[in-house]
Amino acid sequence: DAKTTQPPSMDCAEGRAANLPCNHSTISGNEYVYWYRQIHSQGPQYIIHGLKNNETNEMASLIITEDRKSSTLILPHATLRDTAVYYCIVSFNYGGSQGNLIFGKGTKLSVKP
Amino acid sequence: KAGVTQTPRYLIKTRGQQVTLSCSPISGHRSVSWYQQTPGQGLQFLFEYFSETQRNKGNFPGRFSGRQFSNSRSEMNVSTLELGDSALYLCASSLNGNNEQFFGPGTRLTVL
Repeated sequence: DAKTTQPPSMDCAEGRAANLPCNHSTISGNEYVYWYRQIHSQGPQYIIHGLKNNETNEMASLIITEDRKSSTLILPHATLRDTAVYYCIVSFNYGGSQGNLIFGKGTKLSVKP
Repeated sequence: KAGVTQTPRYLIKTRGQQVTLSCSPISGHRSVSWYQQTPGQGLQFLFEYFSETQRNKGNFPGRFSGRQFSNSRSEMNVSTLELGDSALYLCASSLNGNNEQFFGPGTRLTVL
């Protein structure tokens, strides 16, 4: 089972920041927080991941609370093309016997004009 | 750099048949993982191959199998197809087996 809890859906106005929350209260010390998204009918797309510190790349920012029990993915200026299902996943950095990506139901983000 | 490719993109089979799906990872990637996606169960992990060895397996029956070749290309096979095997089958590759995975477009399998 997925180790994360996400709201099933969220709306965001185009051009505004989209803040997607995720709870992972049972995360262990060596587990990372990964975010993927899946645009309709396409394969999932990696967005970002982090362990403790906040991370930023060209797509998004990841804010992880100090106790690591929750995190927020921030899309700074959402566009219509960001409409997708966003998955928050807790996993070890390397797959294989240590564990692979376990996808939950995710958050369906709808960006509206 | 070319992305992950999967063939065929669409496939229709009948119950009892068997099917083989193919995945070509990004050049240089050594790990290939397979997932099944259905409306009811969502995205579920099938198995992962790294350097031709299966490293991890999800909770699927033995009818689902896979292999990886020396060039990292991977195939998955489903024998004795059932209606419930209708799904989108996704393949993902990663450089060294970490969880920053790159997904292909998937193969849509319909079992009649």
